Order: sequence, then structure tokens, then C-alpha cells
Amino acid sequence: QSALTQPPSASGTPGQRVTISCSGSTSNIGTNSVYWYQQLPGMAPKLLVYRNNQRPSGVPDRFSVSKSGTSASLAISGLRSEDEADYYCAAWDDSLNGHVAFGGGTKVTVL
Amino acid sequence: EVQLVQSGAEVKKPGESLKISCKGSGYMSSNYWIGWVRQMSGKGLEWMGIIYARDSDTKYSPSFEGQVLISVDKSINTAYLQWGSLKASDTAMYYCARRGYSSGDSFDIWGQGTMVTVSS
Repeated sequence: QSALTQPPSASGTPGQRVTISCSGSTSNIGTNSVYWYQQLPGMAPKLLVYRNNQRPSGVPDRFSVSKSGTSASLAISGLRSEDEADYYCAAWDDSLNGHVAFGGGTKVTVL
Repeated sequence: EVQLVQSGAEVKKPGESLKISCKGSGYMSSNYWIGWVRQMSGKGLEWMGIIYARDSDTKYSPSFEGQVLISVDKSINTAYLQWGSLKASDTAMYYCARRGYSSGDSFDIWGQGTMVTVSS
């Protein structure tokens, strides 16, 4: 069982907005930054968004995040076929020094 | 180019030992933490542990402590993950990832993964 809770799946048609939730606790999301990773089929995970909507070079601004208390969410606007992937939230967890909490992952399907 | 390159796929028998590697290049490797993540077939990412290349300070997830050993050789910018006695349940893809200071302590660079298959 993952320390962070995500819905197993989400879907939308091209151009739609899809939102993925991530629920944690005071020791992880409530205290630390939330990161989002995208894993395309058959590929290694890739950093998508970190610290208050910062995106690595090459990641479009269609991906945005928000956080409130012990929950966070990732929004994908203008959904595209290439967004079909697994998305994971993560945060450092202060309950165990140097421990990372991952969400279980959300499979986004573009209909 | 900043990258992590992992060793190739392995097929082992239960009870055998194994050490896989993760070599960093394009950055000052000794200044960074390198983490290991397990992904079993069709499942999510699981945090295993992390090591600081400069002084080998290591932290393990409780789920993996005592099951694996994480080490580093800073002279060749390489981190390792090893098992003393593999089990069939160790069959998975293993990723290494760099903890990036300029990206808010996220894992900003990932290796391509090493597939480990344990089967009799």
C-alpha cells in the first residue's frame, strides 16, 4: 500500500482537461514539496513538475499542479495523445529520515 | 549531457548474488544523492533507499532494509545495488535516480532501468 493515494485511472478526450489527485499526510505532502513524474509505456519515469509549478526544460505548461494541506493535484490541460502515460506523485516523508513516499500511480488514457 | 547509465539486464537463479550499477556522467557526481526505485511488472514505483556519493551516507526504506545493500564508488561516479541471495520476488525493473538540488530535491535524472529476472 502506497503512502500517497492516487486514483488508479483517469481519462479524457483530446483537448480536455484531466485532473489527478494525490492524498498524503502531514509528514509528507503537508510539510514538503510534491513532485510529479510521468512514465511513458516502456520508459523510465521522467520528472514532470516540482516545487510550485516549476517544470524541467521541455515540459509544456499544459501540466500544472496545486497543493492544499495534505493533498495535491496535477492538471493536464489540452489533453494530447502523447500524454497517455502513468503519472506518479511523490514527496519526502519526515516520519522516516530520508524516506520518499510515492503514490500508486494513475494511468491516464486519451480516448 | 547529464545522464545516469545503468548496467544491463540480468537473469539469475534463486539464491544467487547480484550487483547492478548506475554510472553518472556530465555532472559532479560526488555532490549528489542517488536513489534506487523498484518497479514490479505492472505495478507502481517503490522507494528502496538513497546514498550520498561523497561520504556513502545511506538511508533505506524499511521495506528493503536488510534485503539489499546500496553502495557507491565515487572515484568512478558509480552507485550500486546488490543482493546476497536473490528470491523470485526480486524480479522487477530497478531504476536509479539523482536527487537534484536545482529541482527542489526532486529526482531530476533517471537511469534507463535494469531488468532483473530471478527464476529457477
